[in-house]
Amino acid sequence: DAGVIQSPRHEVTEMGQEVTLRCKPISGHNSLFWYRQTMMRGLELLIYFNNNVPIDDSGMPEDRFSAKMPNASFSTLKIQPSEPRDSAVYFCASSQEQGYGYTFGSGTRLTVV
Amino acid sequence: GNSVTQMEGPVTLSEEAFLTINCTYTATGYPSLFWYVQYPGEGLQLLLKATKADDKGSNKGFEATYRKETTSFHLEKGSVQVSDSAVYFCALRPGSARQLTFGSGTQLTVLP
Repeated sequence: DAGVIQSPRHEVTEMGQEVTLRCKPISGHNSLFWYRQTMMRGLELLIYFNNNVPIDDSGMPEDRFSAKMPNASFSTLKIQPSEPRDSAVYFCASSQEQGYGYTFGSGTRLTVV
Repeated sequence: GNSVTQMEGPVTLSEEAFLTINCTYTATGYPSLFWYVQYPGEGLQLLLKATKADDKGSNKGFEATYRKETTSFHLEKGSVQVSDSAVYFCALRPGSARQLTFGSGTQLTVLP
């Protein structure tokens, strides 16, 4: 298995632009999670899906952030418009049944200038 | 609510030293407990886990025992190597939940 695949690995964009981050979970995993990691705040859960349905989006910072999971093999996290304070590493992770941990992707390092 | 408290870093050790990274938790129900490791520039990788009290998780020479009476899951390794330099995260997953709650992470640096 190729693991959780995220793209792009690095993204540099100008303030105000739209940014889309992509994630392909491990086949057969029914839960998908988006996290943001910064030095100041550590790992923050943004949103998670179970069987493609958003379950908890209380961690999404504001309306500029949105996430979708149109099918079991693909999810996107969109920021529109982006701001410099959105600069962080964004991780996607997937999981199967309860009692198991996650498998993380390698992350997308986003820099908004 | 659910929370994880890790010992603050950074931790710096010499090669072959003994490692302990403390982790305590607060949770409703009977959580599963995890240690993750993050090497520079990479995502988090599952290091070990324990799903019930008194279970011992182990991997790559690292061990942690699920202690319900002290609500702890301390990470230990008898002899660290330079290649163990990384950030270590303790995490819990309550029995009824799907999401993990992470600690703040502990940076470990091992010097040759």
